[in-house]
Amino acid sequence: DQQVKQNSPSLSVQEGRISILNCDYTNSMFDYFLWYKKYPAEGPTFLISISSIKDKNEDGRFTVFLNKSAKHLSLHIVPSQPGDSAVYFCAASDQAGTALIFGKGTTLSVSS
Amino acid sequence: DVKVTQSSRYLVKRTGEKVFLECVQDMDHENMFWYRQDPGLGLRLIYFSYDVKMKEKGDIPEGYSVSREKKERFSLILESASTNQTSMYLCATQFRGNQPQHFGDGTRLSIL
Repeated sequence: DQQVKQNSPSLSVQEGRISILNCDYTNSMFDYFLWYKKYPAEGPTFLISISSIKDKNEDGRFTVFLNKSAKHLSLHIVPSQPGDSAVYFCAASDQAGTALIFGKGTTLSVSS
Repeated sequence: DVKVTQSSRYLVKRTGEKVFLECVQDMDHENMFWYRQDPGLGLRLIYFSYDVKMKEKGDIPEGYSVSREKKERFSLILESASTNQTSMYLCATQFRGNQPQHFGDGTRLSIL
């Protein structure tokens, strides 16, 4: 049973527009959430995280929103750039904050 | 910057062989992890370690074992390789709980 779900396998966006990647989770014990970006033949790179005591966290062009009641988080990328084209993974952990549960990923394509 | 080094980028082994994948980190992180990534399945945790000689099973430990004799090195062992263990293997480290994990570039392992 998937505890972290990324229901959109792919997303296509034009350069300069907003990219919104979504993630749902089922385990109410999850306390810490992260987004990673992965290029082919490289390991995942940490992008941004949020703890359950917050509902928003920003870092430059990247903003993560957390809706605990809906068990939903989203990553907004504004403005999108062609270099953002990659696979994006959502991940979650419980209060111990060690083992991560990953979603299956969303492939983002940003066209110029 | 955190550096996580995996000993091989590509590896080809035969069914029944004992296979060792090595991971070394240079940042004195407490926690280390082994994942495998398969198309359509995201990243799945095999084993992790929170201290020297300590280990915990992840979601898919069957057919694998691990060794952590020194803090900076975490080894994944395939006791008797099988074709269904063909995958991308990713090592990660974490300073402590509720911190991001940092990944190596992965080892693409093919079992023939």
